[in-house]
Amino acid sequence: QKEVEQNSGPLSVPEGAIASLNCTYSDRGSQSFFWYRQYSGKSPELIMFIYSNGDKEDGRFTAQLNKASQYVSLLIRDSQPSDSATYLCAVRPAGATNKLIFGTGTLLAVQP
Amino acid sequence: DTAVSQTPKYLVTQMGNDKSIKCEQNLGHDTMYWYKQDSKKFLKIMFSYNNKELIINETVPNRFSPKSPDKAHLNLHINSLELGDSAVYFCASSQERAAAGNTIYFGEGSWLTVV
Repeated sequence: QKEVEQNSGPLSVPEGAIASLNCTYSDRGSQSFFWYRQYSGKSPELIMFIYSNGDKEDGRFTAQLNKASQYVSLLIRDSQPSDSATYLCAVRPAGATNKLIFGTGTLLAVQP
Repeated sequence: DTAVSQTPKYLVTQMGNDKSIKCEQNLGHDTMYWYKQDSKKFLKIMFSYNNKELIINETVPNRFSPKSPDKAHLNLHINSLELGDSAVYFCASSQERAAAGNTIYFGEGSWLTVV
């Protein structure tokens, strides 16, 4: 079992719709969870992080964390073509302040 | 000003050669990293340094040797390059601040192609 799993996609949504990206992780002791966006040929850039169960909202983005289910998701409201990118889920393992484990990413395509 | 900068951005070289990638961060962070991203987009940590000291070495072949002359610089030297080393190498840095999630910031990447 991979440490951090994501559906590789592509996930195709129409412009204006809600895009839902999902991630599961294997280390039950993991403390912090991150979503990065990576455009083709570019470096990953942080969208947001979450460490408490529940929802965290930042603009059009909402991260959701359920530690009991070892599940973290990212919702993008009012999706725009400019949101088309690969979304990487990353997890900080228990006791590892200097390490992130990444999933393989989900490719999101927002259709105009 | 680029926060995490690495050079060169593109590197094409022959098998067996030795090459280096340089990285500098001007964020004042204490921790720097090298990550490798393969053709399937899988991003995996290779090394982590905190204040010039190696703290993570993720079973990377010893052909890869990181060097940190100071906490703002972390260079990666690769000996005897192999075809499988072709990837994008990302330098990154972070500061241990729980309120910010100890967020890792990435450089723009160095595209290495071994032929």
